[in-house]
Amino acid sequence: AQKVTQAQTEISVVEKEDVTLDCVYETRDTTYYLFWYKQPPSGELVFLIRRNSFDEQNEISGRYSWNFQKSTSSFNFTITASQVVDSAVYFCALSGTMDSSYKLIFGSGTRLLVRP
Amino acid sequence: NAGVTQTPKFRVLKTGQSMTLLCAQDMNHEYMYWYRQDPGMGLRLIHYSVGEGTTAKGEVPDGYNVSRLKKQNFLLGLESAAPSQTSVYFCASSETRTEQYFGPGTRLTVT
Repeated sequence: AQKVTQAQTEISVVEKEDVTLDCVYETRDTTYYLFWYKQPPSGELVFLIRRNSFDEQNEISGRYSWNFQKSTSSFNFTITASQVVDSAVYFCALSGTMDSSYKLIFGSGTRLLVRP
Repeated sequence: NAGVTQTPKFRVLKTGQSMTLLCAQDMNHEYMYWYRQDPGMGLRLIHYSVGEGTTAKGEVPDGYNVSRLKKQNFLLGLESAAPSQTSVYFCASSETRTEQYFGPGTRLTVT
């Protein structure tokens, strides 16, 4: 069975603080893909990143960085120097390759509130 | 290039009524998906399609039917709406292992 757990339901920080959103996954697939999506208050889902299970290099994109650790089945997301515009719900998702549908298994999301 | 579009954006139904949600994509993607989003539960897969003329059940298929008669369209039907189907519905499309592109969502309320 595949599962994604985002244990942090809601996080509140003050602008310019760093914040890390946790994601833990379970899968029996040896090849799989992990994703992060952002859902701002307007409601659309915005793709942020995709990583495959063979690439454990950390990735940085501006103020965003991702830490993928297979040993702990985690794919955590850090926002450095948070801004009010980062306020959104963030979803971590998993796609296995044993299932030919490539469907996404989503976590329940973490709501991030960045206060001015 | 509009990406993924969904019609309608909002709808209110009475219990027992039927309706069809339309999803259209212009990226020539093979894979299309219907998810529902409920508070505190993330997105859950209802039905999906791996190509024109094919459909399959996802995690929560009961009460829904789908059709993929044309590659670019994926329809989600509710034959007899129930209050438990009040939700936000998202359509998505993808090409094999790439990211899924999502539509703007349809907010459905069943009274």
